[in-house]
Amino acid sequence: AQSVAQPEDQVNVAEGNPLTVKCTYSVSGNPYLFWYVQYPNRGLQFLLKYITGDNLVKGSYGFEAEFNKSQTSFHLKKPSALVSDSALYFCAVRDQGNTPLVFGKGTRLSVIA
Amino acid sequence: GAVVSQHPSWVICKSGTSVKIECRSLDFQATTMFWYRQFPKQSLMLMATSNEGSKATYEQGVEKDKFLINHASLTLSTLTVTSAHPEDSSFYICSARSGQGVGTGELFFGEGSRLTVL
Repeated sequence: AQSVAQPEDQVNVAEGNPLTVKCTYSVSGNPYLFWYVQYPNRGLQFLLKYITGDNLVKGSYGFEAEFNKSQTSFHLKKPSALVSDSALYFCAVRDQGNTPLVFGKGTRLSVIA
Repeated sequence: GAVVSQHPSWVICKSGTSVKIECRSLDFQATTMFWYRQFPKQSLMLMATSNEGSKATYEQGVEKDKFLINHASLTLSTLTVTSAHPEDSSFYICSARSGQGVGTGELFFGEGSRLTVL
């Protein structure tokens, strides 16, 4: 069975500092990995995905994530955080079949001015 | 990216009534749609997988007679919460994936529907 772990409920970072939101996964076979962001009372917005190819994936709003197969991780990063990045971030995984995404519990990012 | 429209955004209903939530893919054909439920400050819980022209597949613990899902066309899936009770109050989110692999497997999400049952 597929699973995702986001070990941090909350991440606080000062504006302008780099940020990292952690994610580890478990899936049989090769994973499809995703990051989504959710603002209050809104649906999820797609940030980036890893399907195959380069381990470093660049996505929307300056975010990037690095796929690390040996550590089964897909941490989300941004070199310089903005206050507007404050939101709830979800990591998700699925296998290569037509299966639903399995989401982590989410990490609330708070960027302080 | 592809657009998924969900309606209504907010709905308040009395206990015992039924509520229908619509999920539409606006610029692609969605052979598969997924319905999620999100409790406050929690992650998304998959309720069911909706396939066009066939019965939905429900996750364990989800009452199929209470949460009726219909996927009558390639652009529309509906979730009907029947005989709603206060414990059904939640944020319901649909998502869609094209059978042609729009975005190679990425899901596109609706904006969610906040249901409050009084």
